[in-house]
Amino acid sequence: DTGVSQDPRHKITKRGQNVTFRCDPISEHNRLYWYRQTLGQGPEFLTYFQNEAQLEKSRLLSDRFSAERPKGSFSTLEIQRTEQGDSAMYLCASSSHGIRGNTIYFGEGSWLTVV
Amino acid sequence: AQRVTQPEKLLSVFKGAPVELKCNYSYSGSPELFWYVQYSRQRLQLLLRHISRESIKGFTADLNKGETSFHLKKPFAQEEDSAMYYCALTNDKVIFGPGTSLSVIP
Repeated sequence: DTGVSQDPRHKITKRGQNVTFRCDPISEHNRLYWYRQTLGQGPEFLTYFQNEAQLEKSRLLSDRFSAERPKGSFSTLEIQRTEQGDSAMYLCASSSHGIRGNTIYFGEGSWLTVV
Repeated sequence: AQRVTQPEKLLSVFKGAPVELKCNYSYSGSPELFWYVQYSRQRLQLLLRHISRESIKGFTADLNKGETSFHLKKPFAQEEDSAMYYCALTNDKVIFGPGTSLSVIP
């Protein structure tokens, strides 16, 4: 499968711990997006990169959240001092250049449960 | 503000019946509208986009700028259409609606 891959698929952590998710986009895609999805809601935009540059961050992305894409390939999303409200599915997606006229491809997501 | 609304959280129809999933949007500019679908235990995937004007799996959607709507329609629902459907628009990122869960009753 050469699609977008995310790791881990599931993570259970205690409140206050740090967690990191990894996303490997489709290899030729230079745009990479992170979304969060909770039960009963559509995906909510968090941030996106063009190559290694982080171009936009949602105000949903508090200072406990940080995303990186150091070499313009894979990306990591770290959540520090997790809270129960962070429990959600974290989705990664990638596209070639901008979305207009192109298709965005999603990974299967990383489920986070904070207990 | 850019926003997508889907008034129905759940929609149930019988197999063979027509189905319409409603979507309204607010956007200042020329939006590009999409429908995404998520089948059980599968990843989110693109169903169709308004600029391509094509029918995918029997579904069509017409962009109505006057009513700011992009409703998804299919004349005869099939059991395999049961899924979560998200209407979305894009500028540089995709903005999703809350989704409608479609259940097709055999």
